[in-house]
Amino acid sequence: DIVLTQSPGTLSLSPGERATLSCRASQSVSSSYLAWYQQKPGQAPRLLIYGASTRATGIPDRFSGSGSGTDFTLTISRLEPEDFAVYYCQQYGSSPWTFGQGTKVEIK
Amino acid sequence: EVQVLESGGGLVQPGGSLRLSCAASGFTFSSYAMSWVRQTPGKGLEWVSAISASGGSTYYADSVKGRFTISTDNSKSTLYLQMNSLRAEDTAIYYCARISGSYFWGGRYFDYWGQGTLVTVSS
Repeated sequence: DIVLTQSPGTLSLSPGERATLSCRASQSVSSSYLAWYQQKPGQAPRLLIYGASTRATGIPDRFSGSGSGTDFTLTISRLEPEDFAVYYCQQYGSSPWTFGQGTKVEIK
Repeated sequence: EVQVLESGGGLVQPGGSLRLSCAASGFTFSSYAMSWVRQTPGKGLEWVSAISASGGSTYYADSVKGRFTISTDNSKSTLYLQMNSLRAEDTAIYYCARISGSYFWGGRYFDYWGQGTLVTVSS
């Protein structure tokens, strides 16, 4: 199975700041089949990014994804109050689908 | 608007059974593959099972293979997960998720998720 390791575990930032989240895979992710999800307390995960860099429908352009192979990044250019949440990466290029353990973005 | 709504969770004893349901609306259910994903505080998000749009292909995580059965009723736009021989480690929130195509391979991801239903396995 592909193991996804996210860092940091927690990111403490202020609204308006830039957030950079990392996701590293234990082996190359086929065809950049990597997605990012946002989850708020008590809510379901919401798809943000797929194909490593394509924003899902309705996702603001302050969210961007990049990377290939084993190293991927989610960037939030300027944090809005509603962006404080937990973010997960997920690979869907190899069986079985696997998720990272999450990065919590909290208000500093 | 795409919506998926899970139900059927609850408290069950080890070795017991439970059936989860997921009612879908806002899209042509028979055109999409569907999946179950669970979440625990300790293990995070874990994919459990998937079924193709036709229902003809199913896929399971090793941790549930032989104990869980995924199925669909396209006439009711409903996804099911029959869980047998439940163990304490199956305790989790179970999410129903739509897969972004009719089959679960070929670069398909989870594009819509339900709110989840809690399953607790304990004596």
